[in-house]
Amino acid sequence: QVQLKESGPGLVQPSQTLSLTCTVSGFSLTSYNIHWVRQPPGKGLEWMGVIWTGGNTDYNSVLKPRLSISRDTSESQVFLTVNSLQAEDTGIYYCFRNSYGGYSDYWGQGVMVTVSS
Amino acid sequence: DIQMTQSPPSLSASLGDKVTITCQASQNINNYIAWYQQKPGKAPRQLIRYTSTLVSGTPSRFGGSGSGRDYSFSISNVESEDIASYYCLQYDKLTWTFGGGTKVELK
Repeated sequence: QVQLKESGPGLVQPSQTLSLTCTVSGFSLTSYNIHWVRQPPGKGLEWMGVIWTGGNTDYNSVLKPRLSISRDTSESQVFLTVNSLQAEDTGIYYCFRNSYGGYSDYWGQGVMVTVSS
Repeated sequence: DIQMTQSPPSLSASLGDKVTITCQASQNINNYIAWYQQKPGKAPRQLIRYTSTLVSGTPSRFGGSGSGRDYSFSISNVESEDIASYYCLQYDKLTWTFGGGTKVELK
């Protein structure tokens, strides 16, 4: 069945780089776009970026200098990298899939990331 | 990036009430707006896409409308299971944007 699951380190030191993986099953990354969203504790959702079915990427303009999204279609994995982490990057990071238009049906469970020394 | 101004940030409702949440975009988003529900500790769930199209499984008491820059989301006959946070999302451009969210509480 369709699943998305985020994984990565729960704790990262300030100024370091965060690397997260979204592992999907039940569908192909060449058929669905994969987005990353994050949510600081007690706050709202922030769209971070997307890797489209063709492999192109688009990013939140504020985060763009620090953000990279890539994928390995053979392993059904999408990767998120965030550089120069600060405390404000603490939060839950989600990936979700999107097909036509704005339709999104499956999300990962989210992974909590804490930026602290 | 397009900015989405969502209001109110929170509201209190009694069971059976109708509530309305609005989102205003910084530019015309051509009806490309979706609405999500998020309950504590859970991932968001899409309820509506393209302004007013209910996603499969969304109860009919949820609705959406609007055009241009201004959009609204409503819940008629609020039920206890509707207590959650709600977010709009614009997807008119290649970069998407969420609204700030509205927390719906029971009065």
